[in-house]
Amino acid sequence: EAGVAQSPRYKIIEKRQSVAFWCNPISGHATLYWYQQILGQGPKLLIQFQNNGVVDDSQLPKDRFSAERLKGVDSTLKIQPAKLEDSAVYLCASSLESGSLSEQFFGPGTRLTVL
Amino acid sequence: AQSVTQLGSHVSVSEGALVLLRCNYSSSVPPYLFWYVQYPNQGLQLLLKYTSAATLVKGINGFEAEFKKSETSFHLTKPSAHMSDAAEYFCAVSGNTGFQKLVFGTGTRLLVSP
Repeated sequence: EAGVAQSPRYKIIEKRQSVAFWCNPISGHATLYWYQQILGQGPKLLIQFQNNGVVDDSQLPKDRFSAERLKGVDSTLKIQPAKLEDSAVYLCASSLESGSLSEQFFGPGTRLTVL
Repeated sequence: AQSVTQLGSHVSVSEGALVLLRCNYSSSVPPYLFWYVQYPNQGLQLLLKYTSAATLVKGINGFEAEFKKSETSFHLTKPSAHMSDAAEYFCAVSGNTGFQKLVFGTGTRLLVSP
């Protein structure tokens, strides 16, 4: 089966610009996650969707980050305006269900560099 | 709240030597524990998970981990390292009920020399 797809793979922008990332989860997976992985750190959950509803967005900086999952399939994560500290790899993952035991499958990530 | 601490940001071993990557956890509820591997420019892949059944968990690629409640540890081992094991390894913890999110450690980079 096809894995989690993400695009673009790399993005370089200047601070205060806007950027958007796209994720296509594994077909049939109800739960979708966006993680931020800063260099030298482990992934940190930004937002979790169950179908098209938000389950957890407690660590999403809502003044500049937004995410949506229209129709419960694809998702986009947007940063507006970007700051230097947003430089990171943004990982999308999906799982069949929302419970802790439902394995999360990760995409290759989008590497964002903010200059 | 849950957290994990991975001791050693880098571990170097020779091919054929024992691999030991350390992880200690903190959790206010009974935990589920996970090890993930990340190869360069790839996403994370699940190696193995502890879900309160057997304390010794076997995973893919010959890795295993033992849950020790008394030591709050979940160390990852492999008897004989292979060059292809060179990657970054992340330990993660979650609670065992409901919408429990994964909390990752900072990772350990495994270097394997010939």
